[in-house]
Amino acid sequence: QSALTQPASVSGSPGQSITISCTGTSSDVGGYNYVSWYQQHPGKAPKLMIYDVSKRPSGVSNRFSGSKSGNTASLTISGLQAEDEADYYCSSYTSSSTYWVFGGGTKLTVL
Amino acid sequence: QITLKESGPTLVKPTQTLTLTCTFSGFSLSTSGVGVGWIRQPPGKALEWLALIYWDDDKRYSPSLKSRLTITKDTSKNQVVLTMTNMDPVDTATYYCAHSPVWGSYRLYYFDYWGQGTLVTVSS
Repeated sequence: QSALTQPASVSGSPGQSITISCTGTSSDVGGYNYVSWYQQHPGKAPKLMIYDVSKRPSGVSNRFSGSKSGNTASLTISGLQAEDEADYYCSSYTSSSTYWVFGGGTKLTVL
Repeated sequence: QITLKESGPTLVKPTQTLTLTCTFSGFSLSTSGVGVGWIRQPPGKALEWLALIYWDDDKRYSPSLKSRLTITKDTSKNQVVLTMTNMDPVDTATYYCAHSPVWGSYRLYYFDYWGQGTLVTVSS
């Protein structure tokens, strides 16, 4: 069981927007602005999409955005495209002995 | 340009010790705040953080695996080594190493560059 809770799957049609949630505790998501999001296509290594809750690395489309409210972080993808179909993982620093945690992953299907 | 690459055995037997090496370029593990971590992913399952070592030799481990893991660095060779003892079939996974960046001399809590991963199968 992962420390951060994500929905197993989400779906949307091209052009639509979707949001993936990531729920933790006050020891991780809620206590620090250290949430990051990764995109993973089948057979590929994860790719950093969002860091520090809402910052985008250079080269990542501005269709990807992140936010946080309380113990829940969210990744929003607007203007869905076929190439966005992938697995998405959230991650956070935690002040618990665990130090670093990932979510269970969310499979995004573009209909 | 930062790159990382994992190497090690593709097949290990139960109870054996796994040794994986992460060879990197484009940064130095002697730079204040920089870290290299290991993350694994069983087939069809989620990412799991294993361990992380920082420039100052500060080491962090997943509590659930701490007794079985050792992470070390060789700054002169630009390598980080992860050993995992008493391997079991449930440890079958793709193992990734990744770069944890720095801002000034402050640690940042994300992985911005990842290796391609190496699949390790545990079977007799």
